[in-house]
Amino acid sequence: AAGVIQSPRHLIKEKRETATLKCYPIPRHDTVYWYQQGPGQDPQFLISFYEKMQSDKGSIPDRFSAQQFSDYHSELNMSSLELGDSALYFCASSLGRVNTGELFFGEGSRLTVL
Amino acid sequence: AQSVAQPEDQVNVAEGNPLTVKCTYSVSGNPYLFWYVQYPNRGLQFLLKYITGDNLVKGSYGFEAEFNKSQTSFHLKKPSALVSDSALYFCAVSASGGSYIPTFGRGTSLIVHP
Repeated sequence: AAGVIQSPRHLIKEKRETATLKCYPIPRHDTVYWYQQGPGQDPQFLISFYEKMQSDKGSIPDRFSAQQFSDYHSELNMSSLELGDSALYFCASSLGRVNTGELFFGEGSRLTVL
Repeated sequence: AQSVAQPEDQVNVAEGNPLTVKCTYSVSGNPYLFWYVQYPNRGLQFLLKYITGDNLVKGSYGFEAEFNKSQTSFHLKKPSALVSDSALYFCAVSASGGSYIPTFGRGTSLIVHP
C-alpha cells in the first residue's frame, strides 16, 4: 500500500540558509501534519492542513512557513536556519480531522544545520 | 490542555518475558489513546488505539494495551517479548471535544535482551 512520501530524506545546510521539505500524503488523505523531532525528544507538532487550508498551528517558528497544494502534497519552507533547527521532520497524513483516527507517518527528513 | 506522561525513559526486558511500557494521560473530555512505535531513523508506526468499548485493546505484532479510566493509564503490554520489539514507543492522546491533533509523550526506549 502507498505510504507517506517525504523528500529529501537527508539535508545539510549552513546557518542562515533556507530549506524546503516536501510531503506527499497517502492517496485520498486530505489532512497533512508536520512534526519536528529533536534528538531524544518527542515529536512536536508544527502545523497542519486540511483540504489545502491551514488547519492548526503548533510551535512553528515565524521563520517557517508551509502550504498544501491542489494535489494535497505539502511543503515546509524554513528560512534563516539556526543550529537548533537540526532535527528530524516528520510529515503525517490522515483522512479527515478526526480525533479517533491514527496518523500515518512518513520516514522523515533529517535536517542538519552546520 | 491534554498531556501524556511516559515515566520511564528506558525499559529492559529479557526475550520471552512479558513487557509493559507505561503511559498516563490528562485530558478534558473522553480520551482517545494511541500507541506508536519508532524504529531507528524511521517514521512512527501506528500500533493500536482505544476509542471506546472494551478496555483491553489488541494491536499489531502481538501488542495490547489496557485502558484504565480511574488511573488515567493506558499501558502497553506484550506477553512474550522479542528482540525485534526493541524500539522507541510513543503514547499519544486526543480527546472528544478537544483538538484532533494528538499530543505525544516523550517516548520510552524498549530494549529486549537475547
